[in-house]
Amino acid sequence: EAGVVQSPRYKIIEKKQPVAFWCNPISGHNTLYWYLQNLGQGPELLIRYENEEAVDDSQLPKDRFSAERLKGVDSTLKIQPAELGDSAVYLCASSLTSAGIQYFGAGTRLSVL
Amino acid sequence: AQTVTQSQPEMSVQEAETVTLSCTYDTSENNYYLFWYKQPPSRQMILVIRQEAYKQQNATENRFSVNFQKAAKSFSLKISDSQLGDTAMYFCAFIQGGSEKLVFGKGTKLTVNP
Repeated sequence: EAGVVQSPRYKIIEKKQPVAFWCNPISGHNTLYWYLQNLGQGPELLIRYENEEAVDDSQLPKDRFSAERLKGVDSTLKIQPAELGDSAVYLCASSLTSAGIQYFGAGTRLSVL
Repeated sequence: AQTVTQSQPEMSVQEAETVTLSCTYDTSENNYYLFWYKQPPSRQMILVIRQEAYKQQNATENRFSVNFQKAAKSFSLKISDSQLGDTAMYFCAFIQGGSEKLVFGKGTKLTVNP
């Protein structure tokens, strides 16, 4: 069974440019999470989806970040415009239920120059 | 708010020896779950072990076991017979029953030396 797939693995952009990350969760997993992991820190939740509905986006900086999960499967996280402080690893995770074990993808490392 | 504290930023151990990573957490609830995740340089977070707070028995997965002290709010991870492939960041994490928010500690960088 395939795990959580994220792309790209690495992304380098200049500040003020837009960037998008893509996540394909484990088949059948209804709950999808996006996490931000700064260097030397543990992941922090940005947004959680139950199927196609964003049920917790309280930590998502909505002035520049947006996310969508069309059809309740794949998800895209976008930053526009990117700032230097957005350099980090963006992790996607999925779980069978909202209280289930979370399985993580390999993340996207973003560098904003 | 729930918090997770890992007081050891870095640790090292010789191959085949045993090492224990510390974790403490803060909550006023009785229903929760605790996890240890491993993050190797490849960045993929891998679940190592899971403990339900209502279970008194410590969870064990092969060479990995936990010492869960509920009253002390302590959840340490013991790795026996350490292997080179155990070199990674280890994160302790907490989720309250009925909540879907997984709270992570800052991690412990473990290096297994040959």
